[in-house]
Amino acid sequence: QVQLQESGPGLVKPSETLSLTCTVSGGSIRSYYWSWIRQSPGKGLEWIGYIYYSGSTKSNPSLKSRVTMSLDSSKNQFSLNLSSVTAADTAVFYCARVSDGDYGAFDYWGQGTLVTVSS
Amino acid sequence: QSALTQPASVSGSPGQSITISCTGTNSDVGSYDLVSWYQQHPGKAPKLIIYEVSKRPSGVSNRFSGSKSGNTASLTISGLQAEDEADYYCCSYAGRSTSYVFGTGTKVTVL
Repeated sequence: QVQLQESGPGLVKPSETLSLTCTVSGGSIRSYYWSWIRQSPGKGLEWIGYIYYSGSTKSNPSLKSRVTMSLDSSKNQFSLNLSSVTAADTAVFYCARVSDGDYGAFDYWGQGTLVTVSS
Repeated sequence: QSALTQPASVSGSPGQSITISCTGTNSDVGSYDLVSWYQQHPGKAPKLIIYEVSKRPSGVSNRFSGSKSGNTASLTISGLQAEDEADYYCCSYAGRSTSYVFGTGTKVTVL
């Protein structure tokens, strides 16, 4: 059974960079696209972007200039950096697996990690 | 890319059937049979319950069913149970430039 676990600081200061890592267990990180999705408090879900094990990435056009993603297949981990954060970036961040190619559903999710942007 | 439109809330009595709509555009829902639905209980991660419009992952109850007509997708929950009380989100593939767009979410209440 594939499991995902997010990790990273729960508090980030405004204008700094939010950094999160997702560790995949129970399966290989290879041959799938891996995504980041966030949910602001009391709000809906927003797709942030995905990364393929080859290193290719795509991100939401609304966040594109601030998003950087990377992947370490030796550790079965992938990471998200979101720069120049503001209070509006406070959210629960989820990592998830894309089930099929770069267009499939999100079939496995991490439990989510709350990141608060505040000084 | 705007979020897909869902009703804010839907309610029903145990045993009844309810339907949640998810309205997009001809750039997302209308162009691809790649609509998925997620169930989210409070404080929990979303769970995939429908993919590719109408397919159910292994282990998901057959009380959940999906369909699509034009730019609107729908999720039907039949034989409503107390455990179905949750938030539900649709999601559609929206092409190579945008990739994914989620719905606004619907809170299902079992009366």
